[in-house]
Amino acid sequence: GAVVSQHPSWVICKSGTSVKIECRSLDFQATTMFWYRQFPKQSLMLMATSNEGSKATYEQGVEKDKFLINHASLTLSTLTVTSAHPEDSSFYICSARRASGGSTDTQYFGPGTRLTVL
Amino acid sequence: GENVEQHPSTLSVQEGDSAVIKCTYSDSASNYFPWYKQELGKGPQLIIDIRSNVGEKKDQRIAVTLNKTAKHFSLHITETQPEDSAVYFCAASSDTGRRALTFGSGTRLQVQP
Repeated sequence: GAVVSQHPSWVICKSGTSVKIECRSLDFQATTMFWYRQFPKQSLMLMATSNEGSKATYEQGVEKDKFLINHASLTLSTLTVTSAHPEDSSFYICSARRASGGSTDTQYFGPGTRLTVL
Repeated sequence: GENVEQHPSTLSVQEGDSAVIKCTYSDSASNYFPWYKQELGKGPQLIIDIRSNVGEKKDQRIAVTLNKTAKHFSLHITETQPEDSAVYFCAASSDTGRRALTFGSGTRLQVQP
């Protein structure tokens, strides 16, 4: 149990286009999902916290208008990178925390999405 | 906010030896400490976690110890195997507010066969 999926696993796009990444909790409900960005050989940096039915909370330095987050249901959160530029190229990873039925501290991570902006 | 420091950044051991990775945290309100293993190109996988009301937890070859007074916690892997080679991250969070994880900088473990 506690499986989190991401789609797509990788995407290549042209500069200026928008890219949507989906994060789904497959076998549990998640009131809270988190979005991270990871550059090569670095740690995970939290971008935003997404709560079902409410606005996301962004970390300092993360542009909310550039990284649009929608958490429409207890099993789905989406991250849209708008007007992507080469510097947005990174590994984007989501995680989900259970709403109930087990440890609500534990975050389960998705497999990540490799974004390359040309 | 919370700050988590992790050492060493790289660790090379011979197969069968033990490996120890150490982390310190700054926020005394933190009470949940997970460890994740990340293989190349994949998302982090939870391998063990500990809460502040416990001093030690073990799961087969993996153990974690926590010293709340000193604000540090450690990962111990015994009888290492080549498949243990990966990047390991420690993290900390509290059960208040957003309950977001703050990650350490990671340790690249290489187990030599």
